[in-house]
Amino acid sequence: DSGVTQTPKHLITATGQRVTLRCSPRSGDLSVYWYQQSLDQGLQFLIQYYNGEERAKGNILERFSAQQFPDLHSELNLSSLELGDSALYFCASSVASGATQYFGPGTRLTVL
Amino acid sequence: DQQVKQNSPSLSVQEGRISILNCDYTNSMFDYFLWYKKYPAEGPTFLISISSIKDKNEDGRFTVFLNKSAKHLSLHIVPSQPGDSAVYFCAASVNSGGSNYKLTFGKGTLLTVNP
Repeated sequence: DSGVTQTPKHLITATGQRVTLRCSPRSGDLSVYWYQQSLDQGLQFLIQYYNGEERAKGNILERFSAQQFPDLHSELNLSSLELGDSALYFCASSVASGATQYFGPGTRLTVL
Repeated sequence: DQQVKQNSPSLSVQEGRISILNCDYTNSMFDYFLWYKKYPAEGPTFLISISSIKDKNEDGRFTVFLNKSAKHLSLHIVPSQPGDSAVYFCAASVNSGGSNYKLTFGKGTLLTVNP
C-alpha cells in the first residue's frame, strides 16, 4: 500500500458525459501528479500540482482539468468524454524535495 | 518521440537466476531514473532509483546500473523469484531541485519468473 488513495476504482459512463476522479496523496506529500495509461500509449503524464498550484502540464486535453484543494487532495475532471478517453488514470504523490513518486491504485474509466 | 525506451516487451527467466531488464533514453537532460513494478489491476510500485551522479545503486536483490555515456540503464534482480513476475517500467525525470517534475515512462517489460 503506497498510501495514495484514489476513488472510484471503476467508472463506466457514456460519451459526452463528465466525470470526476479523486486522489488523496500520502500524508505529508505536497505534490500530486496525474497520469493516463492507455493500451497503445503507455503511462503518459497529464498534470502536476504542488501545494495547490499547477506546476507542470503534459499531454492533457483541453476537455480535462484538475485542481488541488487546501487539504491537498486533488480532482481530475474529464468532460465531453469520448470513447478514446477510456483508460486507467493514476494519481501519484511525492514530497517536495525528491523525485520519487508513489502511485495510487488507479481509476479504470470506461466510456461506452 | 519516445524518450525512454524498453526494447524488450517480455523476458522469461528461471527462478534463482538473474533477471536483467534494460532501458535506453534519448534526453540528456534526464538526471533521475527510477524503476517501477506493476501487477495487473494495481498502480506502479516504486522499486529503486538512481541519480545521474551515480553509476550504481543497490537495494537488496535489486541493483540499478546507469551508463550515462550510452544513455542506458539496467535493472538486475538476483536471485529472481516467481513473485517478481510483473511488468517493469523504467522512468526518468529532470529533477532540478525544489519541487518535482514529471516522469517519462518506457512502455514496460513483462518479466515472467518460472518456478
